[in-house]
This record gives sequence, C-alpha cells and structure tokens, in this order.
Amino acid sequence: RKEVEQDPGPFNVPEGATVAFNCTYSNSASQSFFWYRQDCRKEPKLLMSVYSSGNEDGRFTAQLNRASQYISLLIRDSKLSDSATYLCVVNAGNNRKLIWGLGTSLGVNP
Amino acid sequence: DGGITQSPKYLFRKEGQNVTLSCEQNLNHDAMYWYRQDPGQGLRLIYYSQIVNDFQKGDIAEGYSVSREKKESFPLTVTSAQKNPTAFYLCASTGTEDFNEQFFGPGTRLTVL
Repeated sequence: RKEVEQDPGPFNVPEGATVAFNCTYSNSASQSFFWYRQDCRKEPKLLMSVYSSGNEDGRFTAQLNRASQYISLLIRDSKLSDSATYLCVVNAGNNRKLIWGLGTSLGVNP
Repeated sequence: DGGITQSPKYLFRKEGQNVTLSCEQNLNHDAMYWYRQDPGQGLRLIYYSQIVNDFQKGDIAEGYSVSREKKESFPLTVTSAQKNPTAFYLCASTGTEDFNEQFFGPGTRLTVL
C-alpha cells in the first residue's frame, strides 16, 4: 500500500460544480496534513492545512478522519482558475519529512 | 520580501558533467529540502537538512550531493553518477513554528543532453 494514495483523475467538471477529492494515508503516527495546489510547470503552493475538527476557507473545505486515516477536500462553485493538480500531503510521524501523494488533476470547463 | 529563490530557472548540461543547483532562503527557516519531480509523478525527496552542517538522505539520494554550510543556503549537486538527471528540481524550507508546512522555490528545470 502506498503511504499516501489519491485518485489521479482527471476530474473534468463544469464551472459552478462541486467536486470532492479523497486521500488515504498509511502512517497512523502522522500529525500534520495538508492540501497543496500545483499549476502546470510551477511549484506546489499550500492550499490549506487540515485540522482534526475540519476547516473551511471560502469555497474550500478540508476534513480529516483519523480513525479511517482519510483526508478530503471539497471545492464548491468551481472556477476556471481552480484547474490544477491537488496534492495530498502527510507528515512522516515524528520527523520533519512530508510524504506526498501523486496528485489529483482537476479541469474546470466553461 | 521573504522567500526562497532557486537559480537558474532552466539549465542545460551535457551528459557526464556535474551541475550545482542553487537554493537560498531568507525566511530564517531551519529545515531545507530538495525534491525531484518527473512528468506525471509526485515529489520524491532527494536530501533534507534540519540544521546547519547536518543533512540526511531522502528516498532517491544516489547520484546527488548537498552541503549546508549556512542556514540560508542548501545547494544540490547533480553528479555524473545520476542515471536520469533530466527533471524538475524543487527546493523547500520549513520553520520550527510552521507545523511542517513547506514553502517552495520556483524550481529549476534541468535538461541533460
């Protein structure tokens, strides 16, 4: 089993749609969880950290389920500018390494 | 402005030559990282350093070397021993207060001809 697994997609949705990405991780000692966004041929940028209680930032909502070792990202009212690859990231237990998923590709169409 | 700089953005080298990629940060971060990304693939950790004068191998260290003589700088050398060096190289850093969130430089795209 991969340490961090994501559905690679691609997800192609119309503008205004709601889309959900899922991610599972294998290390039960992980304490930090993130969603990053990466545009084509650019560096990854932090979209949001994921907290145990769940958190929301505008159209984006992240959820964490520690019992199931599962993280999700919900994007509401999709915009064309949301087209990117979304990376699920988990820290590797006590050290400061991060484990990166392969990413889920999203295309938002007019 | 605080941030991470990588230079150059694009780099071309002949096979068999060593090449050094620059990474500098003025965020006062302790930890720095080098990743490699290939088309359609995730980030793979090459080396990381949690403090000056110390560094550890990541998952794909063979054919690479690093140094961490200053807090601000973490250069990566791609040696001729690296079998497939053509890739997108990303440098990142983390501060002690950031709960492991990593900040990235813009990357260097290395092509070996």
